[in-house]
Amino acid sequence: SAVISQKPSRDICQRGTSLTIQCQVDSQVTMMFWYRQQPGQSLTLIATANQGSEATYESGFVIDKFPISRPNLTFSTLTVSNMSPEDSSIYLCSVAGGQSLGANVLTFGAGSRLTVL
Amino acid sequence: GESVGLHLPTLSVQEGDNSIINCAYSNSASDYFIWYKQESGKGPQFIIDIRSNMDKRQGQRVTVLLNKTVKHLSLQIAATQPGDSAVYFCAEVYSGGYQKVTFGTGTKLQVIP
Repeated sequence: SAVISQKPSRDICQRGTSLTIQCQVDSQVTMMFWYRQQPGQSLTLIATANQGSEATYESGFVIDKFPISRPNLTFSTLTVSNMSPEDSSIYLCSVAGGQSLGANVLTFGAGSRLTVL
Repeated sequence: GESVGLHLPTLSVQEGDNSIINCAYSNSASDYFIWYKQESGKGPQFIIDIRSNMDKRQGQRVTVLLNKTVKHLSLQIAATQPGDSAVYFCAEVYSGGYQKVTFGTGTKLQVIP
């Protein structure tokens, strides 16, 4: 399965600022997925990033708040804009890989833990 | 690392005992299910999966059971070890059209030495 590197691993941010999270994959992939994991919660899909096209956002997430770039088949960024304390979460990058029975099995990066003061 | 399971249901199991983690899924049309393990400070890792046309699948020390009638999934871990301590998530996949992975709420497993 793919190896995913995320930067930063954690950060403390001030309210109103923006932070860009980087995700690097060691192989070319068509789709990359960005998830949010709020404290003590499960994972919620923010958007799907395809190379060469606009990201597809899930209900409740908008491009102005979470702009995504996908410049090539191994890299993506997620920006959390105009942050508030409610944005304090772990943000996870993932790709689908051919493990076991299905191509839907996701491989995740270690996540970027953001704390907004 | 900081725990991601602060508010999640917790299952405490004695080392060496078997663990059973349960999950209710929501979409009766989901055709594929996955269990993930998330250790503190890490992203979720694949454990085992099962298709909707199966009711049981076994891996190394783990077994997944699927009951489509009541939309219930369980993960059984045999001879639980301290390294099994983590948060466990089930995920359902609906392959019709847009293949979307939806995660369940998660259960924190604490293994007592």
